[in-house]
Amino acid sequence: DAGVTQSPTHLIKTRGQQVTLRCSPKSGHDTVSWYQQALGQGPQFIFQYYEEEERQRGNFPDRFSGHQFPNYSSELNVNALLLGDSALYLCASSLGRQGWTGELFFGEGSRLTVL
Amino acid sequence: GQQLNQSPQSMFIQEGEDVSMNCTSSSIFNTWLWYKQDPGEGPVLLIALYKAGELTSNGRLTAQFGITRKDSFLNISASIPSDVGIYFCAGRDGNAGKSTFGDGTTLTVKP
Repeated sequence: DAGVTQSPTHLIKTRGQQVTLRCSPKSGHDTVSWYQQALGQGPQFIFQYYEEEERQRGNFPDRFSGHQFPNYSSELNVNALLLGDSALYLCASSLGRQGWTGELFFGEGSRLTVL
Repeated sequence: GQQLNQSPQSMFIQEGEDVSMNCTSSSIFNTWLWYKQDPGEGPVLLIALYKAGELTSNGRLTAQFGITRKDSFLNISASIPSDVGIYFCAGRDGNAGKSTFGDGTTLTVKP
């Protein structure tokens, strides 16, 4: 049973560039959430995708965008990178239908460094 | 916005000791969750709490959902070296909504 997989695991970008991070959810899961975790802090909710649509969004600027594909995998795109975007980006999958207990399964994350 | 305050920020204990950490919020949450994160990995769910006042155990771990729905605590009994890591509390206010995380309690266990 494959868990949540993310790619790439590490990447370095420069200010102003764009980045795309990818996530494949746990087998059987249909909902993907993205979190940003700065060093020494807890994960901060970016947005959640269900049925290929953004269902809920946290307090992140429009530079952060995403997409969910028919196979439930997802991408996180960040444009015009700033130094402050350096963080661990975590993908979490879950079940989105009613009655969901809310358990999130996290991937190992993509470590983004912006120089 | 919603904020969760975790305390203590860090703990240094001897193997075999019991540990207690807590989490408070200015907002009410319908669900409280406790996660553990090891270096280089994503958080892993330890315990989920769904009802105010609920007390739930998972092996050596025990967690309680505060009666006001604004706080929770996590206890670890008889700590062992593999308990080392960062423990996060998280609150969720909807069935399928976002989880709001605290900034974690870093636990170090000395053998």
